[in-house]
Amino acid sequence: ELKVEQNPLFLSMQEGKNYTIYCNYSTTSDRLYWYRQDPGKSLESLFVLLSNGAVKQEGRLMASLDTKARLSTLHITAAVHDLSATYFCAVDMSRTSYDKVIFGPGTSLSVIP
Amino acid sequence: GAVVSQHPSRVICKSGTSVKIECRSLDFQATTMFWYRQFPKQSLMLMATSNEGSKATYEQGVEKDKFLINHASLTLSTLTVTSAHPEDSSFYICSARGLAVSFADTQYFGPGTRLTVL
Repeated sequence: ELKVEQNPLFLSMQEGKNYTIYCNYSTTSDRLYWYRQDPGKSLESLFVLLSNGAVKQEGRLMASLDTKARLSTLHITAAVHDLSATYFCAVDMSRTSYDKVIFGPGTSLSVIP
Repeated sequence: GAVVSQHPSRVICKSGTSVKIECRSLDFQATTMFWYRQFPKQSLMLMATSNEGSKATYEQGVEKDKFLINHASLTLSTLTVTSAHPEDSSFYICSARGLAVSFADTQYFGPGTRLTVL
């Protein structure tokens, strides 16, 4: 059974600081997504990582994927309050016999002044 | 970009009634649509996967007779919660994967439907 873990689950960080959120998964996949969710809202797609070694950056966020280690990271640079949200990684199994995407538990990020 | 809509965005119903939620891909054809449920402060849990014209595949523990899914066309899937009870109150989110290569690499999420059963 596929398991997707995120670390940490809760993160409180000061503005201006850097931090990394980790996403580990238990089976082979070369597609992974990062999403942001604000309270009461649906998901906003942040990054689509489609191959080993993929690295994407948007603003203060950078995501990477290491399929051999089954690890993805979401790095936050110089955090600002607007980044406060819950971040989910999701592993895409569509290239296996299971056409589904499994979500991690989410990381609740709070950026404080 | 690809847009997925859901209707209604919010619904309140009495216990024992049925509620239908629509999910539409507005500017692309979706081979596969997915239905998720999210309880407060929890992650998204996949309920079922549906392909146009075929029966939905339900995840373990999801009652197919309670959560009826119909994927009538390449742009529309519906989820009907039958005989709803308070424990069915949740945030239901659909997503769609496109038919064309340009829309097939990821899922596009709808805005969600908040169901409250009294």
